[in-house]
Amino acid sequence: GAVVSQHPSWVICKSGTSVKIECRSLDFQATTMFWYRQFPKQSLMLMATSNEGSKATYEQGVEKDKFLINHASLTLSTLTVTSAHPEDSSFYICSARFAGATDTQYFGPGTRLTVL
Amino acid sequence: GNSVTQMEGPVTLSEEAFLTINCTYTATGYPSLFWYVQYPGEGLQLLLKATKADDKGSNKGFEATYRKETTSFHLEKGSVQVSDSAVYFCALTLATGNQFYFGTGTSLTVIP
Repeated sequence: GAVVSQHPSWVICKSGTSVKIECRSLDFQATTMFWYRQFPKQSLMLMATSNEGSKATYEQGVEKDKFLINHASLTLSTLTVTSAHPEDSSFYICSARFAGATDTQYFGPGTRLTVL
Repeated sequence: GNSVTQMEGPVTLSEEAFLTINCTYTATGYPSLFWYVQYPGEGLQLLLKATKADDKGSNKGFEATYRKETTSFHLEKGSVQVSDSAVYFCALTLATGNQFYFGTGTSLTVIP
């Protein structure tokens, strides 16, 4: 149980285009979802926290107009990288938490974004 | 601030060898501590956790003890297998917050 999927698993796009990444909780309702970014050989860095039906909370230094997060249902959150540039190339990982679980998050497999 | 430092890899061991991956932390409050494992092409999976000092988390032969006096949470396994080859992440979270703080990950390769 507690499976989280991400789609796509990898994507290559041209500079200036927008890319949408989906995160789904397959067998539970995720009241809270998290988006992380991971650079090679570095830690996962939290980008934003989203609660179903409300606006996402972004970490300091993360541009909310560039990284649009929508958590429209209890099983789906999307991250849209707008006007992508090569420096946005990274590994994006989502995680989900269900109601009442204060310290357990279930992680998706990640999405590799490459911007040319 | 809050942070996690874990030993850099990669680590290569022979099957049945003893494994230790060091992890130390700094935290502004009373953290819960975790080890996550990431197998190739998969997401992070919770391996074990400990929520207070002197607690020992264990799973699949892996163990880690929450040491407040040394601010450490070292991962150990007495006899590794080829199937243990993966990247291991140490992490903490504070009871009052959402955020997980991760170490940089340690890649383990076990050779037959």
